[in-house]
Amino acid sequence: GAGVSQSPRYKVAKRGQDVALRCDPISGHVSLFWYQQALGQGPEFLTYFQNEAQLDKSGLPSDRFFAERPEGSVSTLKIQRTQQEDSAVYLCASRPGTGGAYEQFFGPGTRLTVL
Amino acid sequence: QKEVEQDPGPLSVPEGAIVSLNCTYSNSAFQYFMWYRQYSRKGPELLMYTYSSGNKEDGRFTAQVDKSSKYISLFIRDSQPSDSATYLCAIMDSNYQLIWGAGTKLIIKP
Repeated sequence: GAGVSQSPRYKVAKRGQDVALRCDPISGHVSLFWYQQALGQGPEFLTYFQNEAQLDKSGLPSDRFFAERPEGSVSTLKIQRTQQEDSAVYLCASRPGTGGAYEQFFGPGTRLTVL
Repeated sequence: QKEVEQDPGPLSVPEGAIVSLNCTYSNSAFQYFMWYRQYSRKGPELLMYTYSSGNKEDGRFTAQVDKSSKYISLFIRDSQPSDSATYLCAIMDSNYQLIWGAGTKLIIKP
């Protein structure tokens, strides 16, 4: 497909479980972003990759959140010991360049519900 | 105070009306201003972006930036039911990262 894809689309986890969310960016896109979007809110920045390098992880809310992009393409966001406050939609976006007014292309998101 | 403020709505208008959506921001150094549209259970998609002050028009959509008052607007003319969505303003900071408003839910009634 030509767009950003994310899997799974929906994930239900029991409190304390670990989850892994996958993002397949548009082929060739250098930049990749993860956002967290709570219900009725705008996206909140989590982390940013340029190729395989994680250049900014200032938005990760705790050390339970971990992201990687080992080969500079697919990225995984992992949440350990999930808590109810982690329930949100997790959005991935990719961008062709590293700066300037380049558009970010978003995937459909993974809706995480922690019971 | 958040860096970008946006009224979450919902805003409900009849089909054909002119819609005005707005955001305010706090950092006068911001230069790139964007409007994204997000349909239910989808990711945001870029509608328009504007650099610095002024107006930009694309079909039924007009984006306006007033840097003196730190105020950005999106106008939709001849609104259609298919325009019903959440509209998010986003501002690019000096590190090319986006700072988002909360989004305004827009409902166009047929």
